Amino acid sequence: KQEVTQIPAALSVPEGENLVLNCSFTDSAIYNLQWFRQDPGKGLTSLLLIQSSQREQTSGRLNASLDKSSGRSTLYIAASQPGDSATYLCAVKGIQGAQKLVFGQGTRLTINP
Amino acid sequence: DGGITQSPKYLFRKEGQNVTLSCEQNLNHDAMYWYRQDPGQGLRLIYYSQIVNDFQKGDIAEGYSVSREKKESFPLTVTSAQKNPTAFYLCASSILGFDQPQHFGDGTRLSIL
Repeated sequence: KQEVTQIPAALSVPEGENLVLNCSFTDSAIYNLQWFRQDPGKGLTSLLLIQSSQREQTSGRLNASLDKSSGRSTLYIAASQPGDSATYLCAVKGIQGAQKLVFGQGTRLTINP
Repeated sequence: DGGITQSPKYLFRKEGQNVTLSCEQNLNHDAMYWYRQDPGQGLRLIYYSQIVNDFQKGDIAEGYSVSREKKESFPLTVTSAQKNPTAFYLCASSILGFDQPQHFGDGTRLSIL
């Protein structure tokens, strides 16, 4: 059974720092991995999708990497801003289990001005 | 604008009552999903549907029911058999295909009176 873990559960950093969020998964047989952002009381906004054949994806100040063999992904946020404060979730779509996404518990990020 | 609309935003259920959460999408997506999110946790799949008039149970389907009579609509009923229904419910949709991302609505928060 696929399990997804995100560490740390919460992170607080000063504005302007570069930071890395971690995501690990137990079964490397995946189609893709998706990073989401969730603001309090809101739905999920898709940030980046990395296919299993890819090593990384970039969008603006965000860069996500995927090492399928080791079961790890990282989300790198450059020059963090207070508006980046949110919960960040990663999810994998496994080869087993139709088109279901398996989610981590999220990292709650706070950027302090 | 294309998107996913969930209603209502807040819903209250009395003991023994069934309630229905609405999910409508105008993205022309074939696949639709319902997830449950509990505080501080990731999302868990309740039901999903890949085609009209067909749907499959997810990991936590007990106490829930769905229908898919139209491509754009996938309502979720929380029945009285669901003993712990208080949660945040998220609907998602996607194009069919293992490489396709899922897109989410803004959620419905269900509470018990």
